[in-house]
Amino acid sequence: EAGVAQSPRYKIIEKRQSVAFWCNPISGHATLYWYQQILGQGPKLLIQFQNNGVVDDSQLPKDRFSAERLKGVDSTLKIQPAKLEDSAVYLCASSPSSNEQYFGPGTRLTVT
Amino acid sequence: GEDVEQSLFLSVREGDSSVINCTYTDSSSTYLYWYKQEPGAGLQLLTYIFSNMDMKQDQRLTVLLNKKDKHLSLRIADTQTGDSAIYFCAERFSGGYNKLIFGAGTRLAVHP
Repeated sequence: EAGVAQSPRYKIIEKRQSVAFWCNPISGHATLYWYQQILGQGPKLLIQFQNNGVVDDSQLPKDRFSAERLKGVDSTLKIQPAKLEDSAVYLCASSPSSNEQYFGPGTRLTVT
Repeated sequence: GEDVEQSLFLSVREGDSSVINCTYTDSSSTYLYWYKQEPGAGLQLLTYIFSNMDMKQDQRLTVLLNKKDKHLSLRIADTQTGDSAIYFCAERFSGGYNKLIFGAGTRLAVHP
């Protein structure tokens, strides 16, 4: 079974620029999550989708971050405009049930 | 409240047992998890325990749960150099839709 795929793996941008990340979850997984992991910290949930509907976006900075999950499969996370403090690893995870979440390799974002 | 705490660093000799500890705050958490993260990689689900259990064993891994003290531990028997990684404890927060709250991670270093 293929795992969660994410791209790009690395991205370097200047502050105030825009960036987008892509995630392809494990086939058949209805729930998809985006986490932000700042260096030295554990992952923090940004947004959670059930199929293509949002169930939790309480931690998403909506003035600059947006996410969508078209057709209940792939998802994109966008930051516009980026700030220095957005430098982090962005992890996508998917879940077949309420008990287990499977993570992708992440996208490391550096904002200069 | 939502808070998971772990010690930041543990060093063990190859062949010894490692014990990584974690405390959490949400007494209503139904599941508690241990994830492993190797450099440059996403999080790998190691094991999880349901809150009505005290112990779960899976090959070299033993999870102990003390609900009264809200304390979770992961014991790795016969620790190998391949076990060197960051280990994250997480609780499934009862106030959210399967939202996971992660600790900051414990870096395990295994030396000869």
